[in-house]
Amino acid sequence: EAGVTQFPSHSVIEKGQTVTLRCDPISGHDNLYWYRRVMGKEIKFLLHFVKESKQDESGMPNNRFLAERTGGTYSTLKVQPAELEDSGVYFCASSHWDRYYEQYFGPGTRLTVT
Amino acid sequence: AQSVSQHNHHVILSEAASLELGCNYSYGGTVNLFWYVQYPGQHLQLLLKYFSGDPLVKGIKGFEAEFIKSKFSFNLRKPSVQWSDTAEYFCAVNAQVGGGADGLTFGKGTHLIIQP
Repeated sequence: EAGVTQFPSHSVIEKGQTVTLRCDPISGHDNLYWYRRVMGKEIKFLLHFVKESKQDESGMPNNRFLAERTGGTYSTLKVQPAELEDSGVYFCASSHWDRYYEQYFGPGTRLTVT
Repeated sequence: AQSVSQHNHHVILSEAASLELGCNYSYGGTVNLFWYVQYPGQHLQLLLKYFSGDPLVKGIKGFEAEFIKSKFSFNLRKPSVQWSDTAEYFCAVNAQVGGGADGLTFGKGTHLIIQP
């Protein structure tokens, strides 16, 4: 069984540019989560999808961040326009509906905004 | 809202030493508790979890954790560490009212280094 995959692994962009991060959850996992870790800080929850619906987006920092999950499969997280404070590692995790407590994490995307 | 505090950001131990990593949480309701580990170059993975029942839970690789409700604590322990336990350890919680599927609130993590 393939794990959670994320693309790209690294991204370096300039302030004001747009970046789109992608997450492919484990096949069959209805729950998909986005988290972010800014350097030196804790991993912070951003939002939670159940299939294609946003269940909880209380952690999204502001309206420069837009997450989608087309057809309940992969998810994208777009940052537009990027600011310096958006730099960090963005993690995606997924879990199955009946083992919902066991979140499987992807390797993360390291985003650097210069 | 929940918050999680991990007491030690860096811990250095020798092989065969005993380990205890502290974790305290703050939340007015009932929580689910987790410990995750990230080995160098690998993904975050679940070490163990507590939902209800026996407050002493056992996880993978010989780790265990004890939930003490009166102290809002969920400390991670291992009687004898190995060099391969070198990793970053994260304590996390979510609210039980969400059924356990909610996003997790993490502590800042503890870097554990085991010296051979």
